[in-house]
Amino acid sequence: DIQMTQSPSSLSASIGDRVTITCRASQTISSYLNWYQQKPRKAPNLLIYAASSLQSGVPSRFSGSGSGSDFTLTISSLQPEDFATYYCQQSYTTPFTFGPGTKVDIK
Amino acid sequence: EVQLVESGGGLVQPGGSLRLSCSASGFTFSNFPMHWVRQAPGKGLEYVSAISSNGGRTYYADSMKGRFTISRDNSKNTLYLQMSSLKAEDTALYYCIKDGAIDGAVTATTYFDYWGQGTLVTVSS
Repeated sequence: DIQMTQSPSSLSASIGDRVTITCRASQTISSYLNWYQQKPRKAPNLLIYAASSLQSGVPSRFSGSGSGSDFTLTISSLQPEDFATYYCQQSYTTPFTFGPGTKVDIK
Repeated sequence: EVQLVESGGGLVQPGGSLRLSCSASGFTFSNFPMHWVRQAPGKGLEYVSAISSNGGRTYYADSMKGRFTISRDNSKNTLYLQMSSLKAEDTALYYCIKDGAIDGAVTATTYFDYWGQGTLVTVSS
């Protein structure tokens, strides 16, 4: 199975900050990488698919980049509703494994 | 509006069985692959299983192979997960998920665009 890692595991940030989360795959996965946001007691919500495609309805402050085995999720200006846990997921091959998550909270 | 409503969760003893259902609406169910993902209390997301749009191909995480069976009834717009030989570590919230890729097959273009609210499975004596 492809192993996914994320860094940092958690971070504290202020409203308006630029936030970057990285995700690394244990092997090359081309651009088959998705990002999800999960708020407490809610189902995850798709943010980015295919490494850099913004899901419909997701604010443009979210962006994704990368290919191969290294990927990045960037929030250009953190908003109050962005405090959540973020997961990356590879879709290169089954099982479609997830990263362990990055929790973003208020500084 | 896409809706996915899971049911069938509950308390079951170790070694027992349970069948989860997911009723889908708001989209052409028979066109899309579907998935199950679970989340143990306070933990991250774990991929469980996938099924192609016509049910012809299925996929499982290694720890579920031989114990879990995914299936679908396109005439009823319903996805299922039959779970047997349940263990304490199977305790989790189980999410039903629609695939965003319309090509019918489970491929690398997969992404999870709609999630249900989950059904809780607790395995305990």
